[in-house]
Amino acid sequence: DAGVTQSPTHLIKTRGQQVTLRCSPKSGHDTVSWYQQALGQGPQFIFQYYEEEERQRGNFPDRFSGHQFPNYSSELNVNALLLGDSALYLCASSLRGLAPSSYEQYFGPGTRLTVT
Amino acid sequence: SQQGEEDPQALSIQEGENATMNCSYKTSINNLQWYRQNSGRGLVHLILIRSNEREKHSGRLRVTLDTSKKSSSLLITASRAADTASYFCATNGDSGGSNYKLTFGKGTLLTVNP
Repeated sequence: DAGVTQSPTHLIKTRGQQVTLRCSPKSGHDTVSWYQQALGQGPQFIFQYYEEEERQRGNFPDRFSGHQFPNYSSELNVNALLLGDSALYLCASSLRGLAPSSYEQYFGPGTRLTVT
Repeated sequence: SQQGEEDPQALSIQEGENATMNCSYKTSINNLQWYRQNSGRGLVHLILIRSNEREKHSGRLRVTLDTSKKSSSLLITASRAADTASYFCATNGDSGGSNYKLTFGKGTLLTVNP
């Protein structure tokens, strides 16, 4: 049973460029959330996708956008990169529902983005 | 902004000892979860406690929740070197818009010395 996968593992970009990160959810999961984790901090919620729509959004500018595909995989796009966007980007999947287990999120290994 | 604050920020103990980490949060919650992160990689879910529960156990883990004080604690008994990691508490809100979104604290770095 494949867990959450993310690509690429590492990425180095220059300020002003654009980047796309990819995520495949755990088998059977239909909801994907993205988090940004700066060094020494806890993850911060960027947004969540369900049924190919953005359902919730954290306090991030419009430079951050995403997409969910019919197979539930997802992309995170960041435009006009800033030095402050350097972070570990984590994807998490879950199965939307009412059971308590639906609140548990399964995280991928993350993509380390460095902006120079 | 981050919901919770873990205490202490760093904890160093010897193998076999117990480790206790605390978490405080600010708003009403549906549930509180604890996650572990090894060396800046992905997070692993450890345990979930609902707002109407006071204590929960899973193996060597014991979690308590005090909603009146908006605080939780994670106890790891008989610690092992492999428990060395960062531990985060995360909350799910109790209103429709905040459901499913996790709000994390800054974490406690636990070091277990052999």
